[in-house]
Amino acid sequence: DIQMTQSPSSLSASVGDRVSITCRASESINNYLNWYQQKPGKAPKLLIFAASTLQSGVPSRFSGSGSGTNFTLTIGSLQPEDFATFYCQQSYSTLYTFGQGTKLEIK
Amino acid sequence: EVQLVQSGAEVKKPGESLKISCQASGYTFTKYWIGWVRQMPGKGLEWMGIIYPGDFDTRYSPSFQGQVTISANMLISTVYLQWSSLKASDTAMYYCARRNQDTTGSPSDYWGQGTLVTVSS
Repeated sequence: DIQMTQSPSSLSASVGDRVSITCRASESINNYLNWYQQKPGKAPKLLIFAASTLQSGVPSRFSGSGSGTNFTLTIGSLQPEDFATFYCQQSYSTLYTFGQGTKLEIK
Repeated sequence: EVQLVQSGAEVKKPGESLKISCQASGYTFTKYWIGWVRQMPGKGLEWMGIIYPGDFDTRYSPSFQGQVTISANMLISTVYLQWSSLKASDTAMYYCARRNQDTTGSPSDYWGQGTLVTVSS
């Protein structure tokens, strides 16, 4: 299995802050890295695919970067609706794997 | 509009069998892989396995191999996840998700609403 490690596991921030979440793969996955947002009681929602491509309808304050083994999700200016848990996912191998998640909380 | 609609919540006893479903609509069912994801209470997402309804090619993550069975019925555009003998540790929310291989990186672009499975004596 390709292991995915996210950091931090939790993060407190205020509305308007810029925050970043990192994800590291145990081996190179090129740019086969996707980011999801999950709110309590809801299914995950695709935010970014192929490391840096914004899914249709996702606000431009979300951005992704990286390739190989190191990736970053950045939220440019936090809005109240952004507080949630974020997961990275590798899609390089047929058996996808997720990072353990980063819970973004309001400070 | 692409939709994945999952079957309703289940409450079962240890040792019982169960089959939950995920019905797809709004696209050609046989042309996209569909995967299953487990989320135990208060925990993260775990990829269980995936099936290609076009030829029933099925792959399982090592942690779930032999523990569950994934199948599909092309006639009703439905994918299934089943257990032959449930354990309390199978208590979780289960999501189905479509893999979009037409998009760079093949992300899971559409998700079902989730099926809560509770296993308790």
